Formats: sequence, structure tokens, C-alpha cells
Amino acid sequence: GENVEQHPSTLSVQEGDSAVIKCTYSDSASNYFPWYKQELGKGPQLIIDIRSNVGEKKDQRIAVTLNKTAKHFSLHITETQPEDSAVYFCAASSGYGGSQGNLIFGKGTKLSVKP
Amino acid sequence: KAGVTQTPRYLIKTRGQQVTLSCSPISGHRSVSWYQQTPGQGLQFLFEYFSETQRNKGNFPGRFSGRQFSNSRSEMNVSTLELGDSALYLCASSLGQISSGNTIYFGEGSWLTVV
Repeated sequence: GENVEQHPSTLSVQEGDSAVIKCTYSDSASNYFPWYKQELGKGPQLIIDIRSNVGEKKDQRIAVTLNKTAKHFSLHITETQPEDSAVYFCAASSGYGGSQGNLIFGKGTKLSVKP
Repeated sequence: KAGVTQTPRYLIKTRGQQVTLSCSPISGHRSVSWYQQTPGQGLQFLFEYFSETQRNKGNFPGRFSGRQFSNSRSEMNVSTLELGDSALYLCASSLGQISSGNTIYFGEGSWLTVV
């Protein structure tokens, strides 16, 4: 089955710097890759997602890149702000039927943005 | 549009008891999936329901079960609670099945403590 590795587990940056979180997946059939942000005491919130037919997607300060050949995808946050501090999860879904159709999550990255 | 609603938010149970958690999906969403989140294991998929049928199941013992009603609302039940069942239980909803590449949106979760 699918396995998703996420690095680093913790990341500390200065306000205004960029942050990059990387994930690798094992199932070449995976075709959907969402990223979630989880603040303390809350449920995960979708921040951006990408499908296997595109290589990059941007939404203001957030971007995700996908390298299907290497089976890895990354979250890029530019001009970080203290409110970006949270735990970020990547996930992969092999999709399209049967027992493969569920999301497998990485272990999470705790991002701290220092003012 | 209201988000995914989970009840109760917090509960404490005694080992050996059983618990039922409830989830109301976003209006119009027909798929509900459940996840267990713990510090050690991260986010783990429990099961997914679509059109009142379980479509997918994670690697959890039979003590964990669920159901979905005709209005798409879902419940999950854990019988014979163990200390290790203490976790945040997250419900997520999507328009269609995860296996079709649908985006899932999480609720705030139900915090279960087993003593």
C-alpha cells in the first residue's frame, strides 16, 4: 500500500523567511496530493492541493510542486508570518476504486515562525 | 455554508465501555470518512461511507465500526474501549468518494479520553 514520508518533523523560521516541507510517496498510482494545516485544538484545514496532471500550483504565498518521476511533492510558504505557525500534513491518494481509494497522511511538520 | 460538525467535542470514558461519535457533513456532501489522530501514529484512516455503504476500511480492529444514514450523517462506534483508544477522532466529508479524487474537509474532531 501507499506510504508517505514527510520531512522535516519540525521547522523553525524567522518571520519573512520561506519555509519548505517535503513529502515522498511510494505508490506510483497516487494522483491527488492535498496539504492540510492544523492549528492547536482544531481540525486540519485544507490549504492547497495538486493533482498529478500538473507540476505546480500557487495560491498567494503558498505553492505546491509535484515531481511524479521522483515521487515527491513539496509545500512552499513565502514571506512567513507568525499566524503560519501550525502543524502541516501532506497526504497522497491513489484514487480510483477499491481499497486503494483512501488518503494516506504524512506524520506532520510543526512549523514555528518567530517574530 | 456550515462546515463539518462533530459531536461531542470532548468526552471521557472508562475502559471497557463503548462510545458513539456523530458527524454531520457539509450540506450536499455524500461521503463521510473517519480518522484517528494520535501523537504517536499521526492521522490514520478508519473508514469511509458513501450512500450508506462502507466503501473503504483502514487497518483497525472490529471494535471500530460506523454507519451512515440516508441524510449522509454518520456515526462511529468504538466498543470495549482500551486506554490506547484515547485520541482525537476526526470526521471529514466530501462531495463524492475519496477514490474519485474528491477533496475532503475535516471537522474539529471529538477528543476521547479513556481512563
